[in-house]
Amino acid sequence: GAGVSQTPSNKVTEKGKYVELRCDPISGHTALYWYRQSLGQGPEFLIYFQGTGAADDSGLPNDRFFAVRPEGSVSTLKIQRTERGDSAVYLCASSPRTGGPNEQFFGPGTRLTVL
Amino acid sequence: DAKTTQPPSMDCAEGRAANLPCNHSTISGNEYVYWYRQIHSQGPQYIIHGLKNNETNEMASLIITEDRKSSTLILPHATLRDTAVYYCIVRVEGQTGANNLFFGTGTRLTVIP
Repeated sequence: GAGVSQTPSNKVTEKGKYVELRCDPISGHTALYWYRQSLGQGPEFLIYFQGTGAADDSGLPNDRFFAVRPEGSVSTLKIQRTERGDSAVYLCASSPRTGGPNEQFFGPGTRLTVL
Repeated sequence: DAKTTQPPSMDCAEGRAANLPCNHSTISGNEYVYWYRQIHSQGPQYIIHGLKNNETNEMASLIITEDRKSSTLILPHATLRDTAVYYCIVRVEGQTGANNLFFGTGTRLTVIP
């Protein structure tokens, strides 16, 4: 079956621009997560959705970062006034439920490069 | 969530068992041990998890010490496709907002032909 998909796979932008990164989770998965991975590091948590609402956005680095999931399926991570330090791979994951032991299914990521 | 300590890198001969250690000496009684791996240029992939008992699935075995302060992931017959970074993670289950994973830097396993 279809896994988690993310678009675009690569995004190059200039400092100060606005970008949107899209995540299509596995159908029926209620939980959705965004992570950011810098070179040589493990993924770092950004935000977690339970259905349509952000249950935990404590990992968002500042108010330039925002994410939505209006219909409880597709999610968009939005970054305003991009900075060179935002360059990283942005990973999305989904899981079928939010309680109890469960695995997260990751997408391939979007590689963001801010020039 | 408890922190974990893993060796930064390991090598393993193809066809042999790969044993990846993880220390989690501050683990709490309700924290599970999870293992994920990340093959180059791909997203992380779930391998296995456990609480107290040893676990086995089609990918690997997880051995947790009796005091739960450390664990070992075992790939019984490593192949070249098992070359990846392996992450050991401990986390509490079932708490709203506590379902995110805290990755460290993991162990880079290289399977050698």
